[in-house]
Amino acid sequence: QMQLVQSGPEVKKPGTSVTVSCKASGFTFSSTSIQWVRQARGQRLEWIGWIVTGSGNTRNAQKFHERVAMTRDMSTNTAYLELSSLQSEDTAVYFCAADINGGTHFDSWGQGTLVTVSS
Amino acid sequence: DIQMTQSPSSLSASVGDRVTITCRASQSIYTNLNWYQQKPRQAPKLLIYAASSLQSGVPSRFSGRGAGTDFTLTISSLQREDYATYYCQQTYSTLYTFGQGTKLEI
Repeated sequence: QMQLVQSGPEVKKPGTSVTVSCKASGFTFSSTSIQWVRQARGQRLEWIGWIVTGSGNTRNAQKFHERVAMTRDMSTNTAYLELSSLQSEDTAVYFCAADINGGTHFDSWGQGTLVTVSS
Repeated sequence: DIQMTQSPSSLSASVGDRVTITCRASQSIYTNLNWYQQKPRQAPKLLIYAASSLQSGVPSRFSGRGAGTDFTLTISSLQREDYATYYCQQTYSTLYTFGQGTKLEI
């Protein structure tokens, strides 16, 4: 059974960084594309970026400039999203979603990770 | 970035109604479009991919159409469990973008 399990909630201070993990099980991680999406309370889905696990290639929304880093660990079937220079506007639930064939058919989603940025 | 505009932003309908949601892209995205359903406090669920292909396990009352810049998601006979927010997402550009969502209410 394909499953993505994300790390637990985080509370961070402004200016710091957060790393959210997304562990895959039940499918081959070798050629998967993973997108990261966030959603502030009551707001729309916002696309952050994607990573192709086989190549490690990434692309992220220009809004995040160099604040975001997406990586993966093939040995543990885990993808990571790091967001730096956090501000209160980054408070949101962060989701990962996967297409096991490396395309854009994102049919497996993690449960979401709440990141709260507060002083 | 390619902008995705959904309409309406919210919609009231009754069980049994036929409902159509529209998504328009700011430039041609061919058929590189996904539709998702999201219920409160849940992750989105893929309903339609490649504009018109029904995801496995999704009821056949859901259908998608369109190509280029104009797309629709139709629910042929609304069921109570369909009350949710629906999002389109373009995956033509390497910078994917979502529509603003359509909230479907009773």
